[in-house]
Amino acid sequence: EPEVTQTPSHQVTQMGQEVILRCVPISNHLYFYWYRQILGQKVEFLVSFYNNEISEKSEIFDDQFSVERPDGSNFTLKIRSTKLEDSAMYFCASRDRVGQYSNQPQHFGDGTRLSIL
Amino acid sequence: AQKVTQAQTEISVVEKEDVTLDCVYETRDTTYYLFWYKQPPSGELVFLIRRNSFDEQNEISGRYSWNFQKSTSSFNFTITASQVVDSAVYFCALSEAQRGANSKLTFGKGITLSVRP
Repeated sequence: EPEVTQTPSHQVTQMGQEVILRCVPISNHLYFYWYRQILGQKVEFLVSFYNNEISEKSEIFDDQFSVERPDGSNFTLKIRSTKLEDSAMYFCASRDRVGQYSNQPQHFGDGTRLSIL
Repeated sequence: AQKVTQAQTEISVVEKEDVTLDCVYETRDTTYYLFWYKQPPSGELVFLIRRNSFDEQNEISGRYSWNFQKSTSSFNFTITASQVVDSAVYFCALSEAQRGANSKLTFGKGITLSVRP
């Protein structure tokens, strides 16, 4: 069964450094998402992406964050200058589009654990 | 604004017991979608079920069953004859229908289920 692939599985970065998290969504999916989960807490929405642009973003997704789909297969999340509070598990998800409504489930990757030192 | 409440935080049962995980949601949309995801200790998010707001039929899949009640805005999940492998964090999530657009998932805080042998 096709799956969402995320790399790396664990990233350790010094505070203030830039980090890029990579995702390869399921190939025929059209909608892409990033979520994060701070340790022991709930999964929070960051951003959604469709047709090469951001559809919606949360308050968490400030100017330090950006997303890109550079080559039609990868979907990346960049954090420009990391802070300690960016330490979390970051999940990429993708969804197929069937019909007009968002009734297809989002399929998640295994996540990237980001640790900021 | 959409909201998902999972009032139970941790549940511990002995193997073969039945257990019900509660989920209550809030939304202004008349069309929406409810989901359950499982997060085992390895950390990935595994899709379990989707339910449309206009379909109140309950569903059974093996040892899993779901009870959707629109009147009480609840979407509860029951595991029958629990097994140690069911030990995980279970998240209920809500997506509001938006025609032709992305719809983010709003997650509850999750319920940690521990099944003891």
